[in-house]
Amino acid sequence: GESVGLHLPTLSVQEGDNSIINCAYSNSASDYFIWYKQESGKGPQFIIDIRSNMDKRQGQRVTVLLNKTVKHLSLQIAATQPGDSAVYFCAENKGGTSYGKLTFGQGTILTVHP
Amino acid sequence: DTGVSQDPRHKITKRGQNVTFRCDPISEHNRLYWYRQTLGQGPEFLTYFQNEAQLEKSRLLSDRFSAERPKGSFSTLEIQRTEQGDSAMYLCASSLLRASGPGGTGELFFGEGSRLTVL
Repeated sequence: GESVGLHLPTLSVQEGDNSIINCAYSNSASDYFIWYKQESGKGPQFIIDIRSNMDKRQGQRVTVLLNKTVKHLSLQIAATQPGDSAVYFCAENKGGTSYGKLTFGQGTILTVHP
Repeated sequence: DTGVSQDPRHKITKRGQNVTFRCDPISEHNRLYWYRQTLGQGPEFLTYFQNEAQLEKSRLLSDRFSAERPKGSFSTLEIQRTEQGDSAMYLCASSLLRASGPGGTGELFFGEGSRLTVL
């Protein structure tokens, strides 16, 4: 079936480096994509989202890139900090009446070393 | 704290028992969602409500599962005759979705989850 998946399950970086987390999706009908951060024992926390009519969106220290041609999504974190260590999930949504019915990927564990 | 709250945070039960989880969404949010998350996996959609109406249920939600949102505010998720395979984190999320006007972007705010262990 259609799914959202991640290329790398783990990513280790040094504090201050930039991090890039990748995600592939297969549902061409998806029109809304979100990145979530989940710390141990907590619920997912919204980071940034992007709609299919955009290819880039920037937030505070984070940038999401969307390549619809190859169905690829990435999250860039600038100047990664130890507090960024968590599991990162991409999620996709078909929008419309299904808004909020998200399909999550497996997750990437980001570890930031001081 | 005005975020999404879930209760209990942890529940250990024996196989065959019934359990109920409660979710209190952010007060003005009209949509409420239930997701299930197992270790090492992303959350999986179970069901959602718009106000008090349950609009969609996943095939993951067997007949043993029932969710309600009677007054369009808090919601309960009940699992009857629990099985070991029901062990998971049950996450609730809420959002405000407006057809027009300011705000209401539909961003989902998740609670901390209710962890169920079935022995």
